[in-house]
Amino acid sequence: QQQVKQSPQSLIVQKGGISIINCAYENTAFDYFPWYQQFPGKGPALLIAIRPDVSEKKEGRFTISFNKSAKQFSLHIMDSQPGDSATYFCAAPSRIFGNEKLTFGTGTRLTIIP
Amino acid sequence: DAGVTQSPTHLIKTRGQQVTLRCSPKSGHDTVSWYQQALGQGPQFIFQYYEEEERQRGNFPDRFSGHQFPNYSSELNVNALLLGDSALYLCASSRETGPDNQPQHFGDGTRLSIL
Repeated sequence: QQQVKQSPQSLIVQKGGISIINCAYENTAFDYFPWYQQFPGKGPALLIAIRPDVSEKKEGRFTISFNKSAKQFSLHIMDSQPGDSATYFCAAPSRIFGNEKLTFGTGTRLTIIP
Repeated sequence: DAGVTQSPTHLIKTRGQQVTLRCSPKSGHDTVSWYQQALGQGPQFIFQYYEEEERQRGNFPDRFSGHQFPNYSSELNVNALLLGDSALYLCASSRETGPDNQPQHFGDGTRLSIL
C-alpha cells in the first residue's frame, strides 16, 4: 500500500515569497508524481507532474524537485501570489492494471498574505 | 471541450438511505475512478472502472458499488448510508491507451451530507 507523507499541514507566505511543500513516498513502483491544486468548492486540478527520470521540472512559477534516493519530492511556488492561496496535494500512483489509482497526501493549506 | 461533470452538486440524505451519484468523463477518456474526500483530508480511492468492469478497489465496504456504461459514464451507489459517509465524492477520468502517462482529471464533486 503506497503511503505519501506531506508537510507542512498549513503554510502562510508573504506575497512575492517562495512557498515550499514537501512530500515523501514509500513504494518505488510509479510512473510520475503529480501535484494537484484545490480551491474551496472545486475538485483537485492537476498543477504539474514529474517523471522519475528527471530531477526537476519547471512550469512558470511552479517547480517540482525530485530526489529519488531520498524518495522525496517538493513543490516550489516562486513569487507567490494571493491567487495561489489554495490547498495543495501531492500524489503517488499505484499501477496494477493499465491506468493507476492515486494515493494522495494529506494536503497543505497555503495562504498568501499581502 | 467539456471536462469531467458530476451530478448532483449537493445532496442531503438520512442514515440508512441509498444514494446514486453520476459522472460523465472528459471527452476522449475511457477510465473512471471514484474518490471520497472527507473534510480537511486528501481524496481516498474508492474504485476504478474500465470497459464497464471494476478494475481496482480501495479499502471501502461493499455498501459502495458502481457501474460504468458503454458511453464511459459512471455511477457510484452507496447503500445503508452512515453519518461517516458525509464527504465530497470526486470522479476522475483518464485515458487508458496512449503513449505516455495519462493524468487523471477531476470533476468538482458531489457534496453528500448525511443527517
